Amino acid sequence: AQSVTQLGSHVSVSEGALVLLRCNYSSSVPPYLFWYVQYPNQGLQLLLKYTSAATLVKGINGFEAEFKKSETSFHLTKPSAHMSDAAEYFCAVSTYNTDKLIFGTGTRLQVFP
Amino acid sequence: DTAVSQTPKYLVTQMGNDKSIKCEQNLGHDTMYWYKQDSKKFLKIMFSYNNKELIINETVPNRFSPKSPDKAHLNLHINSLELGDSAVYFCASSQGPGGYTFGSGTRLTVV
Repeated sequence: AQSVTQLGSHVSVSEGALVLLRCNYSSSVPPYLFWYVQYPNQGLQLLLKYTSAATLVKGINGFEAEFKKSETSFHLTKPSAHMSDAAEYFCAVSTYNTDKLIFGTGTRLQVFP
Repeated sequence: DTAVSQTPKYLVTQMGNDKSIKCEQNLGHDTMYWYKQDSKKFLKIMFSYNNKELIINETVPNRFSPKSPDKAHLNLHINSLELGDSAVYFCASSQGPGGYTFGSGTRLTVV
């Protein structure tokens, strides 16, 4: 079975600071990994995904994530936070033989001026 | 043109009522899903259908009945609504495990 763990239900940063949201996964087969963002009262928007190609994945809005098999991690980063980045972020996993997404519990990102 | 569209966006209803949420995708994907997001924002899969055939049923009460008239549509019917059914329900579609597209959600409030 697959699972993801998001460390930190809340993360607060100052505008312009580095954003680091942590995600660790568990999977007995090679995983596909995703980061989604949810703005207040809105749906889920795909930020980026890893599907066994390059381990450093660049997404929308300046976000990127690096797949590290040795650490079973897929942390999300952005060099400089913007006020508009304030949202809920979800890490998720699927595999070639499980046709569903399994989500982490989410991390709320707050950005202070 | 919205890829995965759900209706209604908001639904307020009384306990005991029966309601339906509709979902349509125009991406040509074979697989469609229903996810539930609870009050703590936790997202969990409820059902998946592949080309009109039920694939996943994740221990959802049988008051919830998905229906897929064709591979572009997956509707969710809920009987005898309870307070605990209040949540945001997301429809999604995919063409394989590498990519999932979500609808904008239906916020169901049972009073």
